[in-house]
Formats: sequence, structure tokens, C-alpha cells
Amino acid sequence: RKEVEQDPGPFNVPEGATVAFNCTYSNSASQSFFWYRQDCRKEPKLLMSVYSSGNEDGRFTAQLNRASQYISLLIRDSKLSDSATYLCVVSVTGNQFYFGTGTSLTVIP
Amino acid sequence: NAGVTQTPKFQVLKTGQSMTLQCAQDMNHEYMSWYRQDPGMGLRLIHYSVGAGITDQGEVPNGYNVSRSTTEDFPLRLLSAAPSQTSVYFCASRKDRGNNSPLHFGNGTRLTVT
Repeated sequence: RKEVEQDPGPFNVPEGATVAFNCTYSNSASQSFFWYRQDCRKEPKLLMSVYSSGNEDGRFTAQLNRASQYISLLIRDSKLSDSATYLCVVSVTGNQFYFGTGTSLTVIP
Repeated sequence: NAGVTQTPKFQVLKTGQSMTLQCAQDMNHEYMSWYRQDPGMGLRLIHYSVGAGITDQGEVPNGYNVSRSTTEDFPLRLLSAAPSQTSVYFCASRKDRGNNSPLHFGNGTRLTVT
């Protein structure tokens, strides 16, 4: 069983739409949660950390559900520049990070 | 700030050759790590280090060696390259092992083994 699973998509949405991604993790002892974005042929870049109480950064909202072992990312008012692959990342000990395979998003004009 | 710097950006090797991928960070981060990214697989941890002189294996360590003689540098050595090691390699560092300390990535090395 994979440590982290994501729907690979692709998600194709019009500009201005709201889109949500989910990610499930297998280890209930997981302590750290992040969303990264990765543009084609580039390195992953931190989008936001995910806190137990949920957190928001502009148009982006992240939620953590420990009981069901999933994290989510909501993007409101999608922009063309949001087109990328979004990676869910989970860590148990702080030494080993587990990455989902990514969810591809294309925002269409 | 340079952040995490990887060299080279691209490399082609023949089967059996050896090489070292370089990684340096100027953020005084304790933790450094190497990942490989293959299509459909996500990033997988090869080796990591929690400080100078300390290294440990990740998910896919076979065929790779690392050392951490300084806080800044964490080179990855391929001892005898194989086609299965064709991949994109990312070095990443983090300040410490705190829960909210994220990984910072270098811009990657694309390696092809023929």
C-alpha cells in the first residue's frame, strides 16, 4: 500500500473556477503535512504547510482530517498561473518524507 | 540567496561509469536529502543526513553512496551506473526536524544512463 495516494487527474478547469484536491495517507502517526506545486521540468516548491486546524493563504485553503487520514487543498478563483502539478507530502518522523504522485491541474482561459 | 544548488543540470553516462552529483546549501540547514523522481512514481527518498557526519538510507538506497563532511555539502555518488538509474535527481534541505519545517529543493539533475 502506498504511503500517500492522490488522484492524478488531470483536472481541467476554466479560469475563475474553484477546484479541490484530496490526498490520503496510510500512517496514522504522520505528523507533518505539506502541499507543493511542481511546474513542468522544474523542482517542487512549497505551496503551504497543512495545520491541524486548517489554514488559508490567499486563494488557497488546506485542511487536515486526521480521523479519515486525508488532507485537502482548495483553490478558489483559479488563475492560468495555477496550472501545475500539485504534490501532497507527508512525514512521520521528520526524517523521511513521502510524496504522492501528484495531481495535474490545467486552468483554461 | 542561492538556497540549494545542484550540479550538473544534465548528465549522460554509460553503463558502469561512476559519477558524483553535487549538492550545496547556504541556509545552514541541518537536514539534507536526495530524491529521485520517475514518471508515475512520485519522489522517492534515496539517502538523507540529519547533520555533518551522519547519514542514513531512505526508500531506494541501492547503487548510491553519500557522505556529509560539512553542513553545507551532501554529494550523491553513483558507483556503477545502470539504466535503471536514469531519472531526475533532486537534493532537498530543511532547517531542522520540526513538524513545520518544509523541504527546500535544488533545481534538479537530469541523468540518462545508456
